Amino acid sequence: EIVMTQSPATLSVSPGERATLSCRASQSVSSNLAWYQQKPGQAPRLLIYGASTRATGIPARFSGSGSGTEFTLTISSLQSEDFAVYYCQQYNNWPLSFGGGTKVEIK
Amino acid sequence: EVQLLESGGGLLQPGGSLRLSCAASGFTFSNYAMTWVRQAPGKGLEWVSGISSSGASTYYADSVKGRFTISRDNSKNTLYLQMSSLGAEDTAVYYCAKGNLVTKGWFDPWGQGTLVTVSS
Repeated sequence: EIVMTQSPATLSVSPGERATLSCRASQSVSSNLAWYQQKPGQAPRLLIYGASTRATGIPARFSGSGSGTEFTLTISSLQSEDFAVYYCQQYNNWPLSFGGGTKVEIK
Repeated sequence: EVQLLESGGGLLQPGGSLRLSCAASGFTFSNYAMTWVRQAPGKGLEWVSGISSSGASTYYADSVKGRFTISRDNSKNTLYLQMSSLGAEDTAVYYCAKGNLVTKGWFDPWGQGTLVTVSS
C-alpha cells in the first residue's frame, strides 16, 4: 500500500501571500496524483489531476508540480475563499490512497 | 450538470448492516468508474471502494475487505455500498464520487455525503 504524507499539517498564511503544500509518496506514483480542496461542511472538490493539470473551472492561481514521489501544490496569492483543507491522492496503485491533509489557515 | 445524491445513512448498532445508495444524473453513468470515500468525524479522507464502469471489477481498502460490497445498477444509474459487521471505526460521512473512463483515477465530482453512525 502506498502511504501519502502531507506537510505541513497546518499552514498559516496571510491573504495575498503564496502557499506551498507538499505531498510525498512512499513509492513512485508517476504523475498519477490529484489534489482536492475541502471546506467545512462541504464535499471535497477536485483541483488538480495528473499532478499538474487544473480541473475545469479552477483558477490559475492554483498550480501543481512534481512526479515520482514528491509533489507540490502552490497557491500563488491566497484569496479568502482558499482557506480550507487540501488533500493529495494517488491513483497509480490499488488501494488508492489519500494524504492526511494540510489545513491552510489565516495568519 | 453532474449530480450525485447519496442516501441510506443512519444510526445503527455494532455488528449491524446497512446499504448506501448513490443516485447519479447528468452524465452517462455506465461509461464511468465510481468510488466510495469516507471521512470519520474530524478526520481526513479514506478511500473505501471502487468499481469499474461495467461492474465487472471491484476494489476495496483492506479496512473493509470482506465486510463491504460495492455494486452498481447501470439501468438505474445507481451505485451501492453494502456494509456489514459494522463497528465504531466505520462511523463516517460516506461520499460517492464519479471516477474516470478507467477505474483508477481522480474523483470529480463528489456527492454531499451520507452520515453513518455506529454506536450502542
